[in-house]
Amino acid sequence: GEQVEQLPSILRVQEGSSASINCTYENSASNYFPWYKQEPGENPKLIIDIRSNMERKQTQGLIVLLDKKAKRFSLHITDTQPGDSAMYFCAAMSNYNVLYFGSGTKLTVEP
Amino acid sequence: EAAVTQSPRNKVAVTGGKVTLSCNQTNNHNNMYWYRQDTGHGLRLIHYSYGAGSTEKGDIPDGYKASRPSQENFSLILELATPSQTSVYFCASGDPGLGGSEQYFGPGTRLTVL
Repeated sequence: GEQVEQLPSILRVQEGSSASINCTYENSASNYFPWYKQEPGENPKLIIDIRSNMERKQTQGLIVLLDKKAKRFSLHITDTQPGDSAMYFCAAMSNYNVLYFGSGTKLTVEP
Repeated sequence: EAAVTQSPRNKVAVTGGKVTLSCNQTNNHNNMYWYRQDTGHGLRLIHYSYGAGSTEKGDIPDGYKASRPSQENFSLILELATPSQTSVYFCASGDPGLGGSEQYFGPGTRLTVL
């Protein structure tokens, strides 16, 4: 299996600043690390992912970093906007195409 | 885009009753998954399937059964529902791929067991 720890559970930032969420995993065989955003009452939606053959990926104001030695990966949202307010979940995929999720971060971007 | 649908979207059941949650995907994905989401726990895997006829236990399978009669359909069955199974249930589908692949989530089913 896999255990994924996600911190912080609550994050408040000012509009225009950056937000960072950190996750750690235990299984060195995990090879795929997606990030999902979930709005209230909605389903989780993939926003960015990174595979184990990469250390960094960037798309549309989102940066994901992966440190395989430390078994740590992180999401950085640059220039946050009120629309970025949501729950964010990290996950790690094991050998059997099974995703293990962190417990989530509630991000609030204040104007 | 991947299309995963769930029914019902909302369900109220009585303790001890039988509940069946249904999931359908139209993208010919081999893998399908059932999760429950509770505040403070994120998404926890109940059962999953690699294809028609296959079901596997996830992290929290106790009290749940699963059925995959076809590529498109994956059901979650609560034979004897209990109040502790009150939760939001999400179905997801995805294709196995080298290096991992995206899972697409359905809209969710809110289940209340009284």
